[in-house]
Order: sequence, then structure tokens, then C-alpha cells
Amino acid sequence: RKEVEQDPGPFNVPEGATVAFNCTYSNSASQSFFWYRQDCRKEPKLLMSVYSSGNEDGRFTAQLNRASQYISLLIRDSKLSDSATYLCVVTGGSYIPTFGRGTSLIVHP
Amino acid sequence: GAVVSQHPSWVICKSGTSVKIECRSLDFQATTMFWYRQFPKQSLMLMATSNEGSKATYEQGVEKDKFLINHASLTLSTLTVTSAHPEDSSFYICSASMFKLAGKTETQYFGPGTRLLVL
Repeated sequence: RKEVEQDPGPFNVPEGATVAFNCTYSNSASQSFFWYRQDCRKEPKLLMSVYSSGNEDGRFTAQLNRASQYISLLIRDSKLSDSATYLCVVTGGSYIPTFGRGTSLIVHP
Repeated sequence: GAVVSQHPSWVICKSGTSVKIECRSLDFQATTMFWYRQFPKQSLMLMATSNEGSKATYEQGVEKDKFLINHASLTLSTLTVTSAHPEDSSFYICSASMFKLAGKTETQYFGPGTRLLVL
């Protein structure tokens, strides 16, 4: 089983839709969780950290479920500019990050 | 804040050439720097973890004599691809880690990447 798993998609949604991605991790001792966004042929950019209490940043909401060992990202009112690959990142006690394969999102008019 | 630069942004070279890539954290001191490689339509692959003043830790399957990493300061790490071959053509990305006491998290900030094409 891979350490961090994501559905590669693509998720193809119309503008204005709500879309959710999940990411599961296998190491129960994982400590930090992040969502990154990567546009085609660019470097990943931090979208948001994920806290146990959940956190929201505008149209984006991230949740952590330690019991089931997954994190989620919810995007409301999708924009065309949200089209990208969303990477789930998990770090353990050594702070070495483990990346998921990424989930591709395509928002169409 | 938390800007990471990478130089050069792209390189085209002949087979057998050595290529040096620099990664700098511009406005913070990085506790750790990481080097990744990404092939088209594939995920980021961690190559090595680099701490200032110590030897890099390489991931399984990554040749340390092929990919030389030097971490001279808390703001600079270099990756040298020695005797590059066409199969080394890839997108090389570095990241610098900032440890934040609040929340005790280690957040990574990525450089813009270096596209290497070996002919």
C-alpha cells in the first residue's frame, strides 16, 4: 500500500460546482498535512495546511480525519482558474514529506 | 515571504556534460532543503534530503555519485547532475523547509524548477 494515496482523476466539473478530493495516508504517526496546487509545467504551491479542527480559506475547506487517516479538500463555486493538479502532502516525525500522486481537476465553462 | 529561487530555469546540454542547479531561500533560513525530480505526467519523486553542513540523504535508487548535493549554508543548496545523459532529462525542483513553532509544522516552499534537456 502506498504511503499517500489520491484518486488521480481527472475530475471534470462545470464552473460553479462544488468538488471534493480525499487523500488517505498509511502512517498513523503522521504529524503535518498540506494541500498543494501544481499547475502544468510549474512548481507546486502551498494551498493550505490541514489542521485537526479543519480550516477554511475562502472557497477552500480542508479537513483531517485522524481516526480514518484521510484528509479532504473541498472547493466551492469552482472557477476556471481552479483547474490544476492538487497534491496531498503528509509529513512524519522526521519532517520528510511524502507526496500523493495528485488529483487532476478540470473546470469547464 | 518564504520565496525560493532556483537557477537556471532551463538547461539544454550535450550528453556527458555536468549541470549545476542552485536553490536559494531568499527571505528565510531553511532547516532542510529537498530535491525532487518530476517526469511528464508523473508525480514528484523525492531524490534527496539536504541539511546544511551535513551529507545529503538519498532516496533508494538515486545514485549519490551521479547527483551531487552540496548544502553550503542555510540558504543555499546545489545539485550537480554529473555526466548527464538523455534519460536524466527531467524537471528538477527544490524545496526549502521552514519550521513554524506555531502549530509545530514544517512547511515546504518550492523553487520554480529547472527543466533539463540532455541531447
